[in-house]
Amino acid sequence: AQRVTQPEKLLSVFKGAPVELKCNYSYSGSPELFWYVQYSRQRLQLLLRHISRESIKGFTADLNKGETSFHLKKPFAQEEDSAMYYCALTDNQGGKLIFGQGTELSVKP
Amino acid sequence: DAGVTQSPTHLIKTRGQQVTLRCSPKSGHDTVSWYQQALGQGPQFIFQYYEEEERQRGNFPDRFSGHQFPNYSSELNVNALLLGDSALYLCASSPDYRGSYEQYFGPGTRLTVT
Repeated sequence: AQRVTQPEKLLSVFKGAPVELKCNYSYSGSPELFWYVQYSRQRLQLLLRHISRESIKGFTADLNKGETSFHLKKPFAQEEDSAMYYCALTDNQGGKLIFGQGTELSVKP
Repeated sequence: DAGVTQSPTHLIKTRGQQVTLRCSPKSGHDTVSWYQQALGQGPQFIFQYYEEEERQRGNFPDRFSGHQFPNYSSELNVNALLLGDSALYLCASSPDYRGSYEQYFGPGTRLTVT
């Protein structure tokens, strides 16, 4: 079964510290992986996708097919990074997003 | 462009009742997906509509049904409401049904079943 696992419900770091939000997945084909973010009182929005291989707001994520992981990283956390982060993948039929349970990132001053 | 809009914002219903939620996609988008997000959980896919037909469906009972109109707006209907249907219902639109396109989410409708 296709599944996305985010092992941490809450991650708390100090401003300027490195951040890594973990995401593991199980999937039988070639998935497309995404990170979505929801800031306080805002709607869910796309942060980045693995096919773009780009850095957004200082965040990067590398797809590791051997470890079936797609961890989100940022070298120096900022207070404005505090939000809910969801890892997601699409199945082979396209369109349907399968989400993890989410990790709340709290960046303290 | 207001992006994806949903109505109503909040809704309170009684067990056994029926509810209809509405979604207008972002301008230029023809594909609409619905998700259920229970408290403390990630969104769960309900179904997706494209060209007025249900393209994909998640693991939800037949009590959950939908419709897409010629202007691409969509409705989600839930019959015989259960307490467990209490959740945030999210609508997302995209310019194509394929997964490589970004899905844009609406603010959600908070449904409470008492």
